Amino acid sequence: GAGVSQSPSNKVTEKGKDVELRCDPISGHTALYWYRQSLGQGLEFLIYFQGNSAPDKSGLPSDRFSAERTGGSVSTLTIQRTQQEDSAVYLCASSLDAGGYTFGSGTRLTVV
Amino acid sequence: SQQGEEDPQALSIQEGENATMNCSYKTSINNLQWYRQNSGRGLVHLILIRSNEREKHSGRLRVTLDTSKKSSSLLITASRAADTASYFCATDGQGAQKLVFGQGTRLTINP
Repeated sequence: GAGVSQSPSNKVTEKGKDVELRCDPISGHTALYWYRQSLGQGLEFLIYFQGNSAPDKSGLPSDRFSAERTGGSVSTLTIQRTQQEDSAVYLCASSLDAGGYTFGSGTRLTVV
Repeated sequence: SQQGEEDPQALSIQEGENATMNCSYKTSINNLQWYRQNSGRGLVHLILIRSNEREKHSGRLRVTLDTSKKSSSLLITASRAADTASYFCATDGQGAQKLVFGQGTRLTINP
């Protein structure tokens, strides 16, 4: 597609449930990133995929968070046993090289 | 740890005036980038400046980089109401292949 697509755009879930967030990067972009942003805050790095290399998971806040990228394209971020502090906007971005990122519109996650 | 920090946290000016936002960072970088965010959603890439560049222009945007002071500034000239947004700087500190973002400057342009 022409841009980075994220789904769903909004997700309300009950505390303790698992959620899956999806990201479709720009075709041909080898790098894919996940960030999250709490209200009024900056972006917190979560995980980075580059080609077939092992992902950089150094930003994942706990073992309840995991992500995969299938076929070097679509990525899914999974949060297990969601907590209220997981409420945030989850942003996905992709890039072709060490240049600028193209961001999706994000998924606003609300844990109630 | 926070790599980039923007200053000021919030800025409110009249339409037509120039807006200047600053960013400081802590480690060596390959490049520094500026992004704009409207309504708390996806960020839009504005400009990238490499560590061996001192100034770069794009339309009404002017970015400077001072690697000796580990700082950058973003100048928006002749501001418009549509420039109202949050602006973030991001760096690839110490050769990391991911960007680290600052907390952002909230810019409001008053008509």
